[in-house]
Amino acid sequence: GAGVSQTPSNKVTEKGKYVELRCDPISGHTALYWYRQSLGQGPEFLIYFQGTGAADDSGLPNDRFFAVRPEGSVSTLKIQRTERGDSAVYLCASGLAGSSYNEQFFGPGTRLTVL
Amino acid sequence: AQTVTQSQPEMSVQEAETVTLSCTYDTSESDYYLFWYKQPPSRQMILVIRQEAYKQQNATENRFSVNFQKAAKSFSLKISDSQLGDAAMYFCAYRSDFGNEKLTFGTGTRLTIIP
Repeated sequence: GAGVSQTPSNKVTEKGKYVELRCDPISGHTALYWYRQSLGQGPEFLIYFQGTGAADDSGLPNDRFFAVRPEGSVSTLKIQRTERGDSAVYLCASGLAGSSYNEQFFGPGTRLTVL
Repeated sequence: AQTVTQSQPEMSVQEAETVTLSCTYDTSESDYYLFWYKQPPSRQMILVIRQEAYKQQNATENRFSVNFQKAAKSFSLKISDSQLGDAAMYFCAYRSDFGNEKLTFGTGTRLTIIP
């Protein structure tokens, strides 16, 4: 079956603009995660959804970042008033939360560049 | 908060030889999971191997095995018979077993395979 997909693959925007990044999880996966990976770093947790609700949003850096998952499937990460420091690869993962391992399956990421 | 440390930014190994990547972590929890992920240039994170903290036996997946030392909080990855396709960034990750589903990653080790 299809894996996790993310669109767009690359996004270039100007400082101060608004961007939306989309994640399509594996069908049937109830859990969805967003991570941010800055250059030369490991991924850092942003937010975790169980179904439609955000179970843990402790990783969102500030109120310019917001994510939704209105129907418990596709998720959108929204960044307002983008800053150059927001440039990074944004990774999405999905899984079956509650299983013993809860393996997270990652998408290819969206590379965001803020000029 | 848990932290994961990978002290080897880069490693190289001759094709067909064996290489070990190091990872240490800090936690006050007794139950948790540890993972090694591979990230090729395509950016997609791929699970290589996983270990439950309550299991004393080291996990093995084909050419990949771990040396899990719980008391020392060490979790190294051994790759045997290295192949050109093993070249990638390797990330060690930690996940709590207490309902918090997020992964905490190290900074990664770039592995180069020398033909």
